[in-house]
Amino acid sequence: GENVEQHPSTLSVQEGDSAVIKCTYSDSASNYFPWYKQELGKGPQLIIDIRSNVGEKKDQRIAVTLNKTAKHFSLHITETQPEDSAVYFCAASIGGSARQLTFGSGTQLTVLP
Amino acid sequence: GAVVSQHPSRVICKSGTSVKIECRSLDFQATTMFWYRQFPKQSLMLMATSNEGSKATYEQGVEKDKFLINHASLTLSTLTVTSAHPEDSSFYICSAIARQAPNTGELFFGEGSRLTVL
Repeated sequence: GENVEQHPSTLSVQEGDSAVIKCTYSDSASNYFPWYKQELGKGPQLIIDIRSNVGEKKDQRIAVTLNKTAKHFSLHITETQPEDSAVYFCAASIGGSARQLTFGSGTQLTVLP
Repeated sequence: GAVVSQHPSRVICKSGTSVKIECRSLDFQATTMFWYRQFPKQSLMLMATSNEGSKATYEQGVEKDKFLINHASLTLSTLTVTSAHPEDSSFYICSAIARQAPNTGELFFGEGSRLTVL
């Protein structure tokens, strides 16, 4: 089955700096890659996703890049703010939808004021 | 956006009792709902997949008699932890896939339910 590895497990950045979280996946058939933000004591929320026919997608301060050849994808947050502090999970699935998502292990992002 | 409501958000129970957690899609119909378990500082572990009107599909290693899932309608799924023990204490999260536009196929998560078994 699919295996998703996520790095780093913890990341601290100064407010205003950029943060990058990287994930690799094992199944070349995976074609849907969402990113979720989970605040303490809450459920995950989708922040951005990308499908395999696209190499990059941006939404304001958040961007995701996908390298299908290398089987890795990354989340980029620019101009970080304290409210960006949370746990971020990457995920991958086959079939182009959110069914049967395999999640990464999570990254605790701390934005220092 | 679409909202998935979980209830209760926190529950404390005595060992040996059963606890029911509800997952409702408030403003959309869900083709499929998923139940996850999350230990502190760990990722989400899929427990089971629930389709309306049919039996849930459990992941390997998840006891179906221990974690009863009922999906009675397109907007409600329930997870019952039967004869709960302290090792069942965890954060349980549900998610739902929207059936119709404008969010067709998109996955929405509930807020989670913190179960503590004494």
